[in-house]
Amino acid sequence: QKEVEQDPGPLSVPEGAIVSLNCTYSNSAFQYFMWYRQYSRKGPELLMYTYSSGNKEDGRFTAQVDKSSKYISLFIRDSQPSDSATYLCAMSRLPATDSWGKLQFGAGTQVVVTP
Amino acid sequence: NAGVMQNPRHLVRRRGQEARLRCSPMKGHSHVYWYRQLPEEGLKFMVYLQKENIIDESGMPKERFSAEFPKEGPSILRIQQVVRGDSAAYFCASSPPTGELFFGEGSRLTVL
Repeated sequence: QKEVEQDPGPLSVPEGAIVSLNCTYSNSAFQYFMWYRQYSRKGPELLMYTYSSGNKEDGRFTAQVDKSSKYISLFIRDSQPSDSATYLCAMSRLPATDSWGKLQFGAGTQVVVTP
Repeated sequence: NAGVMQNPRHLVRRRGQEARLRCSPMKGHSHVYWYRQLPEEGLKFMVYLQKENIIDESGMPKERFSAEFPKEGPSILRIQQVVRGDSAAYFCASSPPTGELFFGEGSRLTVL
């Protein structure tokens, strides 16, 4: 069993729809939870990170963490064709006093937003 | 402020040859990480280095792979006697002492 499970998609949505992405994990030692966006043939870029359970909002993006269920989500509101990319969840065991470094990634979900 | 620089972006090697991938971290970053991304898979941690030190190499294959981050110059990921299964995208990331990772654009290795 993988430590982090993520549906690879592809997930196709019309422009303006809400994109809902999620990951489940098995190791309760994970403390930091991140979402990265990766465009084709590019490196991942950090979208959002959260610590502990709860919600975090940044513009059109909302990240949720439910540590009791070992489940994290990312929602993208008012999706745009430019949001078409692969979205990777990632997790870290390390505390805030150290580099995030050794991340455990999900396989990534490919999202296609059609005009 | 330049980002994480990786080169070469694309590298083709025949089986048995050596591959060397280079990574220059962002200015002011002292921590370097290497990740490997196989087709249809997420990124897998390989190694974590600071200047002249390997901190964590738990994700590195036991044979043929090595990494260094010398006092001067870029970090190097070296793969000896490459095999077809080594074909992948290799990403370098850097970070300050605390906080997020910044990834480079990757080096794509193809082994013929």
